[in-house]
Amino acid sequence: DTAVSQTPKYLVTQMGNDKSIKCEQNLGHDTMYWYKQDSKKFLKIMFSYNNKELIINETVPNRFSPKSPDKAHLNLHINSLELGDSAVYFCASSEVGVTQYFGPGTRLLVL
Amino acid sequence: GENVEQHPSTLSVQEGDSAVIKCTYSDSASNYFPWYKQELGKRPQLIIDIRSNVGEKKDQRIAVTLNKTAKHFSLHITETQPEDSAVYFCAASKPSGYSTLTFGKGTMLLVSP
Repeated sequence: DTAVSQTPKYLVTQMGNDKSIKCEQNLGHDTMYWYKQDSKKFLKIMFSYNNKELIINETVPNRFSPKSPDKAHLNLHINSLELGDSAVYFCASSEVGVTQYFGPGTRLLVL
Repeated sequence: GENVEQHPSTLSVQEGDSAVIKCTYSDSASNYFPWYKQELGKRPQLIIDIRSNVGEKKDQRIAVTLNKTAKHFSLHITETQPEDSAVYFCAASKPSGYSTLTFGKGTMLLVSP
C-alpha cells in the first residue's frame, strides 16, 4: 500500500551512460514532482507535472527529460550521466497547492 | 521567486530540552508553510504545517508559529528525545496556480541522551 514508490532504490553507473528512474503514486494526486538532494542535503525542485503536463521546469540540463505517461506515473530519464549528477533523487506527489508526499528516493552514484 | 532562509544549520540539545528552528521567507504572497523531518537515509516526511490564516498550530510536542508581518515562521519541539534527531526542512508555497514548495537548506538536529 505504498503511497509514492520509486525504482530503483540504488543506481550505480559509469559516466556517459543513460539511465531512467521510475515513480508511481497511488494517492490519486494530480501533481507530481522530481527533486534532487545533493550531498549537503539541499532539496531542489527539478520538474513538476500536473495531469501529465509539464508545469515547472527549473534550470536543469536538457540531459534530464521527464516523462509522464499518465497522472500516476512520472519517470526521469538522464542522458550522458556526469559525476555531478550523483545525488538522491526524490519523486513527490500532491493535490495542487497542498502537502507533498515523497517517495523513498533513488540514490544515484556516477563513477 | 521565493527565497527561504533557515537557521541554524545544526542544533545540538540534551534530551528533554526544547529545540527551536527558524525560517524566513521573501514572498509575502506565500501562504502555506510545511515542516518536513528527514531521518538518515529516509524520505522527507511532513510533521506539521500551517497556513497564513492562523498564527500558531500545535501537535503534541511539536508547534509551529507564523508571523506574517515579519515573514517569519518557527518550529518548536519540546521535551526532545533521541528519536527527534534528524534533518528538519521548512518550506513555503504560494496559493496560486501550480506553485511548488521552496525549501530551506535544512537544520540537522542532534538530541543527546
